[in-house]
Amino acid sequence: DTGVSQDPRHKITKRGQNVTFRCDPISEHNRLYWYRQTLGQGPEFLTYFQNEAQLEKSRLLSDRFSAERPKGSFSTLEIQRTEQGDSAMYLCASSTGTDSNYGYTFGSGTRLTVV
Amino acid sequence: RKEVEQDPGPFNVPEGATVAFNCTYSNSASQSFFWYRQDCRKEPKLLMSVYSSGNEDGRFTAQLNRASQYISLLIRDSKLSDSATYLCVVIPSMNTDKLIFGTGTRLQVFP
Repeated sequence: DTGVSQDPRHKITKRGQNVTFRCDPISEHNRLYWYRQTLGQGPEFLTYFQNEAQLEKSRLLSDRFSAERPKGSFSTLEIQRTEQGDSAMYLCASSTGTDSNYGYTFGSGTRLTVV
Repeated sequence: RKEVEQDPGPFNVPEGATVAFNCTYSNSASQSFFWYRQDCRKEPKLLMSVYSSGNEDGRFTAQLNRASQYISLLIRDSKLSDSATYLCVVIPSMNTDKLIFGTGTRLQVFP
């Protein structure tokens, strides 16, 4: 296990379709985070989990977005009824949660394009 | 007002130059501070944490001024490979583990 893995790397979808992304964190990391990044902006926080518990969710996360981490390992982020404004890079990160000064490890992201 | 504000740049500097980036944060309860580096179309990577007493890592020096809610990053002897976007990042309180990112400052080092 060499890092945080995200799948797919790229997704093109038609407006109105549902999409699901997967994130596999570093195996010993119990915290997992989702961020969204648009061009020219820094990543924006969406939600995070400690094990299987979703501890915090951003106001940015509308009803169309849902995230799960059912067994405390991998996580999925689903977007229902996609809109063009959902086009962005979706980044997943993980950490041990024991020392925030060591920061987080990010995956390479899933780039979503809604056409 | 954004929680973390940075000058977006770009900063265009010659190799060997010294360049400084500044960042301000709005939440006085912010607990932890970092600089991340992001290359074009890549994920952010931790460059360094920022401690109250200031800290240095090779050519990079980070400073924190809690009274002014201000963070800085100094890069000495710039290399071509330093060209990237530098993101100022805070954890806004003791009650959360989320990172709040600035928009980033783009640095371009030229020969």
